[in-house]
Amino acid sequence: EAGVVQSPRYKIIEKKQPVAFWCNPISGHNTLYWYLQNLGQGPELLIRYENEEAVDDSQLPKDRFSAERLKGVDSTLKIQPAELGDSAVYLCASSRRDGEETQYFGPGTRLLVL
Amino acid sequence: DQQVKQNSPSLSVQEGRISILNCDYTNSMFDYFLWYKKYPAEGPTFLISISSIKDKNEDGRFTVFLNKSAKHLSLHIVPSQPGDSAVYFCAASATTQGGSEKLVFGKGTKLTVNP
Repeated sequence: EAGVVQSPRYKIIEKKQPVAFWCNPISGHNTLYWYLQNLGQGPELLIRYENEEAVDDSQLPKDRFSAERLKGVDSTLKIQPAELGDSAVYLCASSRRDGEETQYFGPGTRLLVL
Repeated sequence: DQQVKQNSPSLSVQEGRISILNCDYTNSMFDYFLWYKKYPAEGPTFLISISSIKDKNEDGRFTVFLNKSAKHLSLHIVPSQPGDSAVYFCAASATTQGGSEKLVFGKGTKLTVNP
């Protein structure tokens, strides 16, 4: 079974530029999560999708961050414009359904904003 | 306010000995706990979990113990191997009527197993 796929693995941009991350969850997993991980910290949830519906986006900074999961499978997380403080690892995870506690993570996208 | 705390940033043990990683939590609503292992430049990998209805769960060399009264859990690795060297994250969630709440992670403990 293929794991969670994320791209790109690394991204370097200048501040004020836009950036997008893509995630393909494990096949059959209805719930998809985006996490932010800063250096020396544990992952923190940004947004959680149940199929195509965002069921928890309370931690997503909506002034510059947006996400979509149009067909309930792949998802895209966008930052526009990026700020220096956005430099971090962005992790995508999936689980079979909401209430299935075990989440499986992708390798992450490491973002550096200069 | 950190709801899940891993107070030891690092731990070093000899190969073949026991590794004990500790985790404390403050939210009494948490009822499901997980341990993830993370290698550099990779995402966290699920290791083992435990429900609050149990006080122990074992999977091969890995055992998780839960002490609900103390709001404490620990991960035991016996025997430790050099390949176990990684950062270990403790995570917790609370189950509500609508399903599982988000996972809350600790800051991680870096385990080094010396040959």
